[in-house]
Amino acid sequence: GEDVEQSLFLSVREGDSSVINCTYTDSSSTYLYWYKQEPGAGLQLLTYIFSNMDMKQDQRLTVLLNKKDKHLSLRIADTQTGDSAIYFCAESTSSSNTGKLIFGQGTTLQVKP
Amino acid sequence: GAGVSQTPSNKVTEKGKYVELRCDPISGHTALYWYRQSLGQGPEFLIYFQGTGAADDSGLPNDRFFAVRPEGSVSTLKIQRTERGDSAVYLCASSLSGRYNEQFFGPGTRLTVL
Repeated sequence: GEDVEQSLFLSVREGDSSVINCTYTDSSSTYLYWYKQEPGAGLQLLTYIFSNMDMKQDQRLTVLLNKKDKHLSLRIADTQTGDSAIYFCAESTSSSNTGKLIFGQGTTLQVKP
Repeated sequence: GAGVSQTPSNKVTEKGKYVELRCDPISGHTALYWYRQSLGQGPEFLIYFQGTGAADDSGLPNDRFFAVRPEGSVSTLKIQRTERGDSAVYLCASSLSGRYNEQFFGPGTRLTVL
C-alpha cells in the first residue's frame, strides 16, 4: 500500500541547516515532492525529485533520495525565521495514472532567532 | 495570472445540513483535484477530474460526498447530511494536464460542522 511517514517536529537556530526526513513504502513512486505550508496559506511546491535521481539541489534546498531504503530528505541551508512552516513530503506513483499525491503528516519546522 | 481560488474561505454549518464548496482552477488547467486536510494531518486525496469527468473518485469517503465539474473549469464539492467528522480544510488543486505536472493549490475552505 501507499504510506508516507515524517517526523512531526524539528527545531533549529537561525543560520543552522535543517534536515527533514521522510520514508515511503510504495516502490513504484515516480516523483517525490516537498511542499511548504504556512498558516492561512495554500500548499507551495518547494522542489521535487524524479525517482531515478539521487540528489537535486536548488539554491538553499538539497533533496536526497535513497531509493533502496525508500528514504527522502530535505536539507535547508542557512535556515531563516521565514522558513518556519509545516513541510510535507508527498509521492505520486506509477500505479496511479492520475497524478494524485500521497502526503505525509507534515513536519513542523521551528526556527529560533 | 490568478491562482486557484476557493470559496468560501470558511464555512460553519450544523450537523445534518448540506454544503457546497467551490473551486476555481487556473485558467487552461484541465486537471483538478480535491483533497481533505484534517487537523494535524497531511492532505488526503478525494477526487480527480480530467476535463469534465471524474477520472478517479477512489478517495471519497462515502456516498454523502459528491463533486462535479460540468464545464471542465469550476468544480463544486458537495457534502450531504454533514457530520462532525467532516470538519476539515478542503483543498483544491489544478494542474496543466494531470500526471507529472505540478499541482497548484488553493488556500482551502475550512469547514466546521457543529
